[in-house]
Amino acid sequence: NAGVTQTPKFQVLKTGQSMTLQCAQDMNHEYMSWYRQDPGMGLRLIHYSVGAGITDQGEVPNGYNVSRSTTEDFPLRLLSAAPSQTSVYFCASRRLGLGDGYTFGSGTRLTVV
Amino acid sequence: GENVEQHPSTLSVQEGDSAVIKCTYSDSASNYFPWYKQELGKGPQLIIDIRSNVGEKKDQRIAVTLNKTAKHFSLHITETQPEDSAVYFCAASTDDSWGKLQFGAGTQVVVTP
Repeated sequence: NAGVTQTPKFQVLKTGQSMTLQCAQDMNHEYMSWYRQDPGMGLRLIHYSVGAGITDQGEVPNGYNVSRSTTEDFPLRLLSAAPSQTSVYFCASRRLGLGDGYTFGSGTRLTVV
Repeated sequence: GENVEQHPSTLSVQEGDSAVIKCTYSDSASNYFPWYKQELGKGPQLIIDIRSNVGEKKDQRIAVTLNKTAKHFSLHITETQPEDSAVYFCAASTDDSWGKLQFGAGTQVVVTP
């Protein structure tokens, strides 16, 4: 099993550009989510989904868009990149239900200049 | 919403000594408390978790304790080894939050030989 796969691993964008961060999982997990990691701030939830066609906002959703057309994929779109979105982004998935921890991808390091 | 505070932010220990990381949470409804280890350049990985109906859980050299009354939980690593060097995150969630985790800010653990 590949687990959670994120692409790209690194990306540099200019302010105002848009892009999509890809996330795919092969574990048939219902729940998928995007976090951003900034120094000294832990991981903050951007958006999450509990199944295909269902998404909701997390703690820091502004400037990001998501969709969930399949169980496997959960892309994160940056609509108009800003320097404040420079961060490391992690996709995570889990089965719904008690006692199951998240499986994280290896991350995408994004720099907006 | 839930707020999780984690201390210390950095921890330096001699190989063979014990390491303790403490977290406090604000929402008394929180009932699931996982700990994640993040090695450099990788995504967080679940190392141990505990539910609110259990006071302590052990897995080889790591253990987690939970004090529901005081709303704090701790990670204990005994006989530390250089490969324990990493960033450790605590988190908390409630059953009615679709498993959304609120993370602490992280602790950088450095084990010196």
